[in-house]
Amino acid sequence: QVQLVESGGGLVKPGGSLRLSCAASGFTFSDYYMSWIRQAPGKGLEWVSYISSSGSTIYYADSVKGRFTISRDNAKNSLYLQMNSLRAEDTAVYYCARMRGIAAASNWFDPWGQGTLVTVSS
Amino acid sequence: SSELTQDPAVSVALGQTVRITCQGDSLRSYYASWYQQKPGQAPVLVIYGKNNRPSGIPDRFSGSSSGNTASLTITGAQAEDEADYYCNSRDSSGNPSFGGGTKLTVL
Repeated sequence: QVQLVESGGGLVKPGGSLRLSCAASGFTFSDYYMSWIRQAPGKGLEWVSYISSSGSTIYYADSVKGRFTISRDNAKNSLYLQMNSLRAEDTAVYYCARMRGIAAASNWFDPWGQGTLVTVSS
Repeated sequence: SSELTQDPAVSVALGQTVRITCQGDSLRSYYASWYQQKPGQAPVLVIYGKNNRPSGIPDRFSGSSSGNTASLTITGAQAEDEADYYCNSRDSSGNPSFGGGTKLTVL
């Protein structure tokens, strides 16, 4: 079945770095756009970044632009998020999700991984 | 703040119909998608496109849109529908954006 599994979360000090990974299975990973979405504790969902199927098109939310880098390795069916200069406000559960409809009059995310918690604290 | 506005909380009696709304200018041009999130779990897509349900989503869930407002309707709400619901569309830059979420309570 279609599955996404995130890893790499943990506790990091402000200003530090962390790299998240998302392993995909059950579908042809290289055919799909992928995205990272986060959720701060007790808060709503916030889109972070997405990357096209080939990796040639990338967008970021203003809140992470210049600090986070999304990438993918289609040979390894994996999505990544390199997070640098981390701040307390980056504390959240980070989900990877398959993204569809971006070129149409809609976009949707399905499925989502189980999420990985990133805590930025001294 | 989000460019998509949702009521923070809505309640419905068991078996009755409830409509959860999402307002935003982008909804005049783009369809919304809707997600259900239960405590401690990842969000699950329930509606996408004009009014499409992924496999496994009960047909009591439906979507509609008019002007700058998208709606998720649950016809005959069940206890297991109690959850947070989020809409998703685009922001003014054309990037994905989520509403603030609606907490649905089934009485």
